[in-house]
Amino acid sequence: KAGVTQTPRYLIKTRGQQVTLSCSPISGHRSVSWYQQTPGQGLQFLFEYFSETQRNKGNFPGRFSGRQFSNSRSEMNVSTLELGDSALYLCASSSGSGDHNEQFFGPGTRLTVL
Amino acid sequence: AQKVTQAQTEISVVEKEDVTLDCVYETRDTTYYLFWYKQPPSGELVFLIRRNSFDEQNEISGRYSWNFQKSTSSFNFTITASQVVDSAVYFCALRQKGAQKLVFGQGTRLTINP
Repeated sequence: KAGVTQTPRYLIKTRGQQVTLSCSPISGHRSVSWYQQTPGQGLQFLFEYFSETQRNKGNFPGRFSGRQFSNSRSEMNVSTLELGDSALYLCASSSGSGDHNEQFFGPGTRLTVL
Repeated sequence: AQKVTQAQTEISVVEKEDVTLDCVYETRDTTYYLFWYKQPPSGELVFLIRRNSFDEQNEISGRYSWNFQKSTSSFNFTITASQVVDSAVYFCALRQKGAQKLVFGQGTRLTINP
């Protein structure tokens, strides 16, 4: 099976712009989670989608949003970018049902905000 | 609230030495799941192991072994006969029952010198 893919791998934006990141989960996986990784805050959970519904949400401002499509692919959007949004954004997929499952991560999208 | 602490920020050893990475967690849940992930320079988080809270049996996989002790809320990871390819950042994570959200520790940067 192909792994989790994320596009684009690198992005450079300026403050005030918005950005959309994409994640394609492993085939058959219905759950997609997003994480932000920064040197200061480490790895922090953004949100999780399962069958097109947001199931859980982390403590991030409303500028961060996401969605999931019927094929389980997910996008996250960040509006009105701030310098502090520069980070590695990681997507993870899992079957999403039951507790005996692991999350598999994609290579990440590195976002730089200038 | 859930919390994971990896007190060792950086560890540097010479190849073939054994090294132990510490992980201490906090949770009020009686059922939970613990994980270790490896993050090489490429950025992708690689799943290493999942341990259920009701299974305290230690596990060995090749040069890797994990020691889970509920009495001390610890889930330590040992690499025996370390190799240069083991150099990476290692993360310990906690997940509560019924959820996909992972709570990560701050990570330990492991450098194996030839």
